[in-house]
Amino acid sequence: GESVGLHLPTLSVQEGDNSIINCAYSNSASDYFIWYKQESGKGPQFIIDIRSNMDKRQGQRVTVLLNKTVKHLSLQIAATQPGDSAVYFCAEKSGSARQLTFGSGTQLTVLP
Amino acid sequence: DTEVTQTPKHLVMGMTNKKSLKCEQHMGHRAMYWYKQKAKKPPELMFVYSYEKLSINESVPSRFSPECPNSSLLNLHLHALQPEDSALYLCASSQVVFLNSPLHFGNGTRLTVT
Repeated sequence: GESVGLHLPTLSVQEGDNSIINCAYSNSASDYFIWYKQESGKGPQFIIDIRSNMDKRQGQRVTVLLNKTVKHLSLQIAATQPGDSAVYFCAEKSGSARQLTFGSGTQLTVLP
Repeated sequence: DTEVTQTPKHLVMGMTNKKSLKCEQHMGHRAMYWYKQKAKKPPELMFVYSYEKLSINESVPSRFSPECPNSSLLNLHLHALQPEDSALYLCASSQVVFLNSPLHFGNGTRLTVT
């Protein structure tokens, strides 16, 4: 899961397995959440977003789950592929904020 | 390929040089952003433009000077930078600032200050 610190949290999964990347947030007023994927040498790429009036949202091979009670967000990637290897950032925003707050990121490595 | 285009991809400059980073989007977005990203860290917000006007300046040193000539273009002028300013500079855009919509990022300019 994501945390503040000097080292990037890492997650290694076997190709074909499902991946779950976790993110905790602290602002109870947060009402919008996004997941980004950043591959080496590229900018963050939008994956999926969810608003606080939802608990779950699905995309192509990805699912985002939001638990507002414990302020927890997760990204599930089905049938993880080598191309999924990247750093994944969660980000959140409250209605009164003018900017996103990014988490510290998780390095996902897909093993052959 | 992204819909936000940044040039140049790489830039090496001395501490006395003046250079500019450029960003372009054609998605009709009215909010544009500059972020700075150090290795293994999340992006840090520098500036936000909303409808071509500077909306947020996150206490960025004056050696960084943003400019938004029109709704599609965003520049970042650099002058008298320090080696610690070496980083990946990312441009992003979104529909409008306050709307809960995703930011779309370019692939960045990798800046090295020598």
